[in-house]
Amino acid sequence: DAGVTQSPTHLIKTRGQHVTLRCSPISGHKSVSWYQQVLGQGPQFIFQYYEKEERGRGNFPDRFSARQFPNYSSELNVNALLLGDSALYLCASSLAQRNQPQHFGDGTRLSIL
Amino acid sequence: DQQVKQNSPSLSVQEGRISILNCDYTNSMFDYFLWYKKYPAEGPTFLISISSIKDKNEDGRFTVFLNKSAKHLSLHIVPSQPGDSAVYFCAARFFMNYGGSQGNLIFGKGTKLSVKP
Repeated sequence: DAGVTQSPTHLIKTRGQHVTLRCSPISGHKSVSWYQQVLGQGPQFIFQYYEKEERGRGNFPDRFSARQFPNYSSELNVNALLLGDSALYLCASSLAQRNQPQHFGDGTRLSIL
Repeated sequence: DQQVKQNSPSLSVQEGRISILNCDYTNSMFDYFLWYKKYPAEGPTFLISISSIKDKNEDGRFTVFLNKSAKHLSLHIVPSQPGDSAVYFCAARFFMNYGGSQGNLIFGKGTKLSVKP
């Protein structure tokens, strides 16, 4: 069975540009979450979506937005990129029941020049 | 303020011996705890979890222990193998019964485990 897939794997952008990252969850998973991981830190929560609705938002500026589509795939958008946005962006999917783990994709490595 | 802390940035263990990774948390509302393993250039891989109503969960070579009174959990790997060398993240969550939302994971900074042959 396919795991969580993310695209692209790597991306290089310049300051001020906009980026869209994509995620396809594991088949049957309706909940998708996005995390940002910088070097030396654990992943930090950005958004959670379930049934196409935002269910949670972390402490990130409004430049970050996301959405979930009817097929449960998701996009993360970041506007007006800053150097500090350089990070690994991880997508995770899970079943909605209690005590179900989140399963992660391999991430998109975003570098801002 | 970090709610999940992994105070050891690194750990080195001989092959065949036990690896013990530790994690402390501050929020007593957490009710589900997980361990993930991460290799370079890959996403975190789920290893094992434990609900707050239990104090131990085993899966093969991996056992997680939860001490709620101390707000402490640990991951034991026995026997350790060179392929276990990776960064291990502890994560915690409190359940949000909001239309299927589970609540987000809060991660520690990770512990790099090196298992020497």
